[in-house]
Amino acid sequence: AQSVSQHNHHVILSEAASLELGCNYSYGGTVNLFWYVQYPGQHLQLLLKYFSGDPLVKGIKGFEAEFIKSKFSFNLRKPSVQWSDTAEYFCAVNASEGLTGGGNKLTFGTGTQLKVEL
Amino acid sequence: IAGITQAPTSQILAAGRRMTLRCTQDMRHNAMYWYRQDLGLGLRLIHYSNTAGTTGKGEVPDGYSVSRANTDDFPLTLASAVPSQTSVYFCASSCVGLAGGPYEQYFGPGTRLTVT
Repeated sequence: AQSVSQHNHHVILSEAASLELGCNYSYGGTVNLFWYVQYPGQHLQLLLKYFSGDPLVKGIKGFEAEFIKSKFSFNLRKPSVQWSDTAEYFCAVNASEGLTGGGNKLTFGTGTQLKVEL
Repeated sequence: IAGITQAPTSQILAAGRRMTLRCTQDMRHNAMYWYRQDLGLGLRLIHYSNTAGTTGKGEVPDGYSVSRANTDDFPLTLASAVPSQTSVYFCASSCVGLAGGPYEQYFGPGTRLTVT
């Protein structure tokens, strides 16, 4: 079974600082990777996803993530954060086993709480 | 288009009581999921359904049951609630192709449940 590790549980940054949130997974096969964001009091929204192709994926709101297969990593980055980026960020992995085996189940990391200060 | 709706928004429930959390989607997604979100533990899959009429167990299924009578609805039932089931519950849905995916999941607004 796959697992996902997010090593940074809480991150505090000043506006305009650069952001990198770590995500590592454990699964030797083909994976699909996601970053979701949860703003305070809201539900999860998709930031970006990687299925195949270019390992550098660009998402909404200026976020990007790089899939490094050799490191089993999918770190999230943003060059300059804003106060409105304050939220919890979740990395998720899908190791699809096919429709009968498990379909589209996601395994989530424990989340990183990001606080951006003015 | 509403996407995914969940009801109730929040609930305080006495231990031992039965409770059904409702989830409805209007995107005609064939797969649906229930997660619980707990501080420091992220989201954990309770049950899922790849298509109407089928269900499967997730990571933390004990104490919960689901049914999938049609494409749109995926209720989650706590037969006899216990305090450890205090959590925020999220329903999600996605497409599932014949090859299994991948497709992103869309989430509902959540139900905050407190079991006393």
